[in-house]
Amino acid sequence: AQSVSQHNHHVILSEAASLELGCNYSYGGTVNLFWYVQYPGQHLQLLLKYFSGDPLVKGIKGFEAEFIKSKFSFNLRKPSVQWSDTAEYFCAVNPELSGTYKYIFGTGTRLKVLA
Amino acid sequence: GAGVSQSPSNKVTEKGKDVELRCDPISGHTALYWYRQSLGQGLEFLIYFQGNSAPDKSGLPSDRFSAERTGGSVSTLTIQRTQQEDSAVYLCASSRRTSGSNNEQFFGPGTRLTVL
Repeated sequence: AQSVSQHNHHVILSEAASLELGCNYSYGGTVNLFWYVQYPGQHLQLLLKYFSGDPLVKGIKGFEAEFIKSKFSFNLRKPSVQWSDTAEYFCAVNPELSGTYKYIFGTGTRLKVLA
Repeated sequence: GAGVSQSPSNKVTEKGKDVELRCDPISGHTALYWYRQSLGQGLEFLIYFQGNSAPDKSGLPSDRFSAERTGGSVSTLTIQRTQQEDSAVYLCASSRRTSGSNNEQFFGPGTRLTVL
């Protein structure tokens, strides 16, 4: 069965530290990839997405993610985090199969940024 | 513009009671999804609607769960004879398409269900 793994469940960083959140998936075919963020008290919103082309994708608020097909990974990065980045981050995979519409979500990573 | 809306935002019920959760998708979005988010868990897929096609109910955890979508728009998720393990945040999402580019899902704020 297809699955998405986010190995870091809780991450605590100081402001200005660099961030990398891991995301690995198990599916050998073409995929669409997403990172969603859920700020405290708010609903899930899209951070960035990858469909095709340049494997380095830039999203909102200075976030970026790199798709490495050979490693089945789509890690999220930010060079310098801010206190306002405190949130829960979810990686999601949509296998590009005919008739396939499901997103498979990881269990999420809770990021806390200390001021 | 209007996003996905859900009601109620919070629901507290007693074990054994039935509950109905409502989702209004973004206008023009043909696909609608229900997920369940439990503490420490990811988003668990429940059910999917696409236009007038038969829904995919493969994620529903038991026959106490059901959902319908009237007129291709508003959807209602019903949980009968609620159990304490049903306590979770129930999320609704909609998308313009179901695969390929532009199949980004837009999420509602969720309904937090607490079963006492």
